Amino acid sequence: DAKTTQPTSMDCAEGRAANLPCNHSTISGNEYVYWYRQIHSQGPQYIIHGLKNNETNEMASLIITEDRKSSTLILPHATLRDTAVYYCIVRVSLDSGYALNFGKGTSLLVTP
Amino acid sequence: NAGVTQTPKFRVLKTGQSMTLLCAQDMNHEYMYWYRQDPGMGLRLIHYSVGEGTTAKGEVPDGYNVSRLKKQNFLLGLESAAPSQTSVYFCASSYDPLGGAFFGQGTRLTVV
Repeated sequence: DAKTTQPTSMDCAEGRAANLPCNHSTISGNEYVYWYRQIHSQGPQYIIHGLKNNETNEMASLIITEDRKSSTLILPHATLRDTAVYYCIVRVSLDSGYALNFGKGTSLLVTP
Repeated sequence: NAGVTQTPKFRVLKTGQSMTLLCAQDMNHEYMYWYRQDPGMGLRLIHYSVGEGTTAKGEVPDGYNVSRLKKQNFLLGLESAAPSQTSVYFCASSYDPLGGAFFGQGTRLTVV
């Protein structure tokens, strides 16, 4: 199963774009990349996921490199409420299904 | 639409006591999961279910049992609580293994 590598922490000024990188160099061809965030010990919140193409929704954009070995989550206009731990996840295969393998994530601090 | 609801939100147990955590979802999801999160760490999968009447072990299943008698409910049991089980427990559900998962708000359990 593919593992992901993220920076431990990042800062971003309010109103600017937050670009959160993730390396997943061992990802296989049919594995999706998922992004979740966790705000101050609340339950994790799903943000976005993708396979090959770039994806965009109301929360964020996901840019996946052509070789699929890395991706970037973009929050276009970060707000103070975006301060959270962001998890980049590749789905883990289990005996009879799949689950999300959460690492330690990136702690994003959005500053005024 | 409540989403994923966990009961209780807080609990203090004495070593050796038993308890059951309840997770209920109203989205008709097939997949349900129990995770635990310890300070400074990501979430670790305890048990999961791919449908009513099915359960399977995750990454850290020892000391826990689960049941999925009804599609909407996923129960996590601690038969003889230990201080090492002090943690925050999160339940999640998803429609299929490829889609985003929805998480509950967590149960904060302290075993003394």
